[in-house]
Amino acid sequence: SQTIHQWPATLVQPVGSPLSLECTVEGTSNPNLYWYRQAAGRGLQLLFYSVGIGQISSEVPQNLSASRPQDRQFILSSKKLLLSDSGFYLCAWNGDLAFANYGYTFGSGTRLTVV
Amino acid sequence: TQLLEQSPQFLSIQEGENLTVYCNSSSVFSSLQWYRQEPGEGPVLLVTVVTGGEVKKLKRLTFQFGDARKDSSLHITAAQPGDTGLYLCAGASGTASKLTFGTGTRLQVTL
Repeated sequence: SQTIHQWPATLVQPVGSPLSLECTVEGTSNPNLYWYRQAAGRGLQLLFYSVGIGQISSEVPQNLSASRPQDRQFILSSKKLLLSDSGFYLCAWNGDLAFANYGYTFGSGTRLTVV
Repeated sequence: TQLLEQSPQFLSIQEGENLTVYCNSSSVFSSLQWYRQEPGEGPVLLVTVVTGGEVKKLKRLTFQFGDARKDSSLHITAAQPGDTGLYLCAGASGTASKLTFGTGTRLQVTL
């Protein structure tokens, strides 16, 4: 069965520090991978998505970047965090053929607080 | 930019009551999904609707996709405390597997 792992679960970082959040998927190959950010109790904003190794699409201009060094690994990074980067970050995957039946499968999220 | 507006934003009801959540957009979507999210966790898919006018039922939950595929509704009959959570609609268009999420509806069901 497919599983998705996201870590860390919580993170408190000072302004100006770097960031690296990692997401890995098991049990599937060539998944579509996504990074979303969620404001408290609200909808999800798509930050990046990737359809293959080294292929990254950015949805909104921001202080963050993403990379996909391996087929089932997706990394969200920042060189210098801003206060506005605080939020709940969610990684998700899906396979095109299973999309209608299974939608996105989300990780358990990372709560990032920039202080 | 495609926007999906959900209403109401917050809903607090007692066990046994019925409720409807709405998801509206000016954009057409090829399909629409509904998710439920618990605090501190990722959203979990409830249903996908694909055809305009489609109605799907999952036990006490009824989902409808608008004829023009721009809007959707979620109706819960006889709500239970276990229904408490954040409900999110999400529309797919263009690249088949890229979703635009709605603004969310937080539901609280009390005894």
